[in-house]
Amino acid sequence: DAKTTQPTSMDCAEGRAANLPCNHSTISGNEYVYWYRQIHSQGPQYIIHGLKNNETNEMASLIITEDRKSSTLILPHATLRDTAVYYCIVRAYSGGGADGLTFGKGTHLIIQP
Amino acid sequence: DSGVTQTPKHLITATGQRVTLRCSPRSGDLSVYWYQQSLDQGLQFLIQYYNGEERAKGNILERFSAQQFPDLHSELNLSSLELGDSALYFCASSPHPSEYEQYFGPGTRLTVT
Repeated sequence: DAKTTQPTSMDCAEGRAANLPCNHSTISGNEYVYWYRQIHSQGPQYIIHGLKNNETNEMASLIITEDRKSSTLILPHATLRDTAVYYCIVRAYSGGGADGLTFGKGTHLIIQP
Repeated sequence: DSGVTQTPKHLITATGQRVTLRCSPRSGDLSVYWYQQSLDQGLQFLIQYYNGEERAKGNILERFSAQQFPDLHSELNLSSLELGDSALYFCASSPHPSEYEQYFGPGTRLTVT
């Protein structure tokens, strides 16, 4: 699985859009970008994933650059409950079986009131 | 609430002892994953089962073992416990190994004294 680089921490004002970057310059053609988050000591929560097209769901949007070497997770209207560690994970879709997820250190997003 | 349940929530035991952690996956999910989260190692994948069979191994110590039963619940057995085994242990489930989303339980906090 490709390595990812994320900022250690970020602040965002409540009600504003939170933009979390992730660098994955060694990503391969069959590797997807996933985002999970972990609110203090709770189990990680799936947010969104994508291959090359931008994706949006009820939680967030995922913007992947055309060369796929980086991506940005966007929380459109951040609330205090979005304070968490956000993990960007790159892994291949194996089709026949999947290993566990490889979590890095993630970005600690702090939403300020 | 992810639908994944884990028991017990907290466990305190002494070095050298053996404990069993239990996980019930979401209804209908066939694949179960175990993860360990400690302060120094972060979130690490331990082992995966699919429909009763071991599917993939991560950084699982030989002192640790797991199994998945016919009713799909899973148990993680930790033996000859050491102080360094103190951690949060998460179980996750997915409908199939190739599914992108893993649903995590609330975790079991193990303290070895």
